[in-house]
Amino acid sequence: AQSVTQPDIHITVSEGASLELRCNYSYGATPYLFWYVQSPGQGLQLLLKYFSGDTLVQGIKGFEAEFKRSQSSFNLRKPSVHWSDAAEYFCAVEDGGSQGNLIFGKGTKLSVKP
Amino acid sequence: GAVVSQHPSRVICKSGTSVKIECRSLDFQATTMFWYRQFPKQSLMLMATSNEGSKATYEQGVEKDKFLINHASLTLSTLTVTSAHPEDSSFYICSAEHNEQFFGPGTRLTVL
Repeated sequence: AQSVTQPDIHITVSEGASLELRCNYSYGATPYLFWYVQSPGQGLQLLLKYFSGDTLVQGIKGFEAEFKRSQSSFNLRKPSVHWSDAAEYFCAVEDGGSQGNLIFGKGTKLSVKP
Repeated sequence: GAVVSQHPSRVICKSGTSVKIECRSLDFQATTMFWYRQFPKQSLMLMATSNEGSKATYEQGVEKDKFLINHASLTLSTLTVTSAHPEDSSFYICSAEHNEQFFGPGTRLTVL
């Protein structure tokens, strides 16, 4: 069965520092991969997605992610974090055999120090 | 971008009562909507897939008689938690599919 692992439950970075959030997946075929951000009181917002092609994907808000098949990873990065980036981040893989259902990781909470 | 709303955003009810949560796609039509449940510090778990005009598809372990889903129109799906118990207290999130999934802000259910 497909699964998504986000090893870091909580990460704190200083404003202006770089960020990398880890995501590992388990999937037999080429996965469809997503990163979402959840802010308090708001719905999940799609940051970026990978379906095929270039393994480095650019998203909104200055985020990018790199698909590495050999490592079964899809880590999210941002070169310079802003205080407004503090939120919960979820990695997800699409369950291709089941009407496009998304399987989520447990999330990583990002805190930003001034 | 596409907007999905949920109502209510927060509800408190007594044990044994039923609660209805609405999920609406505001500026697009969605033949497919999804209902998720999120426990504290946990991932979103898919409960069911709601298809307009047909029965919902429930994930394994989700009681279809307890979590009633109705997708009567292309912009509205409802989740009714019947005979709610304290263990049903959770954060319920819906999404609507329009080339990708767009998520509602969630509904916090507290059962006393």
